[in-house]
Parts: sequence; structure tokens; C-alpha cells
Amino acid sequence: DTGVSQDPRHKITKRGQNVTFRCDPISEHNRLYWYRQTLGQGPEFLTYFQNEAQLEKSRLLSDRFSAERPKGSFSTLEIQRTEQGDSAMYLCASSLRGTYQETQYFGPGTRLLVL
Amino acid sequence: GENVEQHPSTLSVQEGDSAVIKCTYSDSASNYFPWYKQELGKRPQLIIDIRSNVGEKKDQRIAVTLNKTAKHFSLHITETQPEDSAVYFCAASTSVYGGSQGNLIFGKGTKLSVKP
Repeated sequence: DTGVSQDPRHKITKRGQNVTFRCDPISEHNRLYWYRQTLGQGPEFLTYFQNEAQLEKSRLLSDRFSAERPKGSFSTLEIQRTEQGDSAMYLCASSLRGTYQETQYFGPGTRLLVL
Repeated sequence: GENVEQHPSTLSVQEGDSAVIKCTYSDSASNYFPWYKQELGKRPQLIIDIRSNVGEKKDQRIAVTLNKTAKHFSLHITETQPEDSAVYFCAASTSVYGGSQGNLIFGKGTKLSVKP
């Protein structure tokens, strides 16, 4: 499968625990985005990278959230001291800067449930 | 910042009828408007998109229209089929950093049900 992949697909954790999600973009894509989607809502932007540089962060991204893309390929999103309000689907998308429209292709998401 | 409003939130049509979903945006600098289809439990998938220098774009049974002056754009699906049933999201984006696209701002979605 050459699309965007995410791991794990589901995560259940207890409040206060740390969790880390991984996203593998389409191989030649230099842009990588993280979004969060709650039930009945559209995806909300969290942050994005161009290669290894984190270019923008939403104010939704509290200091408990950190994202990295150390080699410009896969990315990780870590949530520290999880809260029940963090329960959501975390979506990753990738695109190729410089191509027409720079279409963002989404991964299947990681569904997080914080108990 | 940009805000995207989407209507209606739910839409039910008979198979073969047309469906229209409308979105408005607030930032006049937005210049790229994709539409995504999301089936239950699956990832959002791009179905059509349009840039601000184009007023209309068609792809088989799907079309998108854009009115820059009024800051609204619409998705039109003709001859609807049961497999068109899904949640549809509109989005808007602006150019950043030398002309490339920035992040997408999404509407809240429209749940389309096509009855056989």
C-alpha cells in the first residue's frame, strides 16, 4: 500500500498517561500535516511540517502536544498527561509541495480513547 | 483566521436526484477549495477541488462552483446513487511561503443519504 499509513489504528489509555502516534506519508511527499477530528465535526488543523521543519502550529496544540519529523519522512505526535478531552481521531495527511493543487492525502487515522 | 460554514448538516435524497451542498468562507485570501468524502470509519478522500481563478469545475457526476465575490462555493452531485451516501466536507486554504498551500480549514460536514 503506497498511501499514508498511521499506527496504531486504535489506542485506549488512562487519563494522565502519555501516548505516541506515528504517521508514514506517501514516500516522495515533503509536506506532512496533523489534524484532529471529533465526532460530527470536520478535521481541525494541529500542525504541519515541510521536510523536517515544523512550519506552523495551531493554538489548539497545547504544550502537552509535541510533534516531530526528524528525518523528513515519518512523523510522531505525542500527547503527554492525556485528558478525556483528548479523545478523538488523529488524522495525518501528506502532500507534495510544488505540484498542482498540492492535494492532501489522508491516512486512516488513530482513534484515541482516554478513560 | 479563516472560518468555513457548511450547509445543510444532513441531506436526504432519492436515488437519481441531485444533491447540493453549500459552503461559505470568511478569508478573502483563501484560494484553494477541496471537497472530501468520508465514509463511516474511513479516511477522508478528495473528490474534487477548485482554485480561485476558476469559477466551475466538473468531473463526471460531480461539479463545484465558486463565487469569489460572495465567498461561497458549492458541491453538486447529479444522478445520485446509494454509494454516494457519506459525509462530505468542504475546506479552504490560503497560499503561504512563496505560493505553496497552507493547512486546510474544514466545514463541519454534510451527511448525505441516498435512498434507493
